[in-house]
Amino acid sequence: DAGVIQSPRHEVTEMGQEVTLRCKPISGHDYLFWYRQTMMRGLELLIYFNNNVPIDDSGMPEDRFSAKMPNASFSTLKIQPSEPRDSAVYFCASDGTGVSGNTIYFGEGSWLTVV
Amino acid sequence: GESVGLHLPTLSVQEGDNSIINCAYSNSASDYFIWYKQESGKGPQFIIDIRSNMDKRQGQRVTVLLNKTVKHLSLQIAATQPGDSAVYFCAEKSGFQKLVFGTGTRLLVSP
Repeated sequence: DAGVIQSPRHEVTEMGQEVTLRCKPISGHDYLFWYRQTMMRGLELLIYFNNNVPIDDSGMPEDRFSAKMPNASFSTLKIQPSEPRDSAVYFCASDGTGVSGNTIYFGEGSWLTVV
Repeated sequence: GESVGLHLPTLSVQEGDNSIINCAYSNSASDYFIWYKQESGKGPQFIIDIRSNMDKRQGQRVTVLLNKTVKHLSLQIAATQPGDSAVYFCAEKSGFQKLVFGTGTRLLVSP
């Protein structure tokens, strides 16, 4: 399997612009997670989905952040409008309890810089 | 002003030594624990896991020990190699599918 695939790997954008991060989970996995990693806060869970349904979005920082999962093989995390404090690495991860037994696998991350 | 980031504890070892990375977890209800390795510029990579009904589990060159009495988890790496240099995270899970990560420990291996 190719693993969790994220795009873009790197993005530099200007404050106020919309940013869309994309994720393709491992085929067959029914859980998908979005994490953010910064030097200040470490790894933070933003939101996770089960069978394409958002289960817990309590980690989403504010209304500027939104996430969707239109089907089992694709998810997006959108920031609109972006701010410099959103600069971080955003990781997507997936897990299939019937497949991997509770092990969450991460993508390589999307490195976002907002200037 | 100057930003203040997380201060990662650092463990420095010589190549060939055994390394022990420790983690204290907070939730006594956690029933599943994972160690991840994160190399620079990459995502966290699964190393080994353990369930709360076990106190030890071994993998290839790695051993995880769980002490539920004191809520302590450790990762032992045998014959540490320069390629083991990375940040190591422990993660705990209580409830269903929501991992909570520790702040991480940086392992530096000198040749």
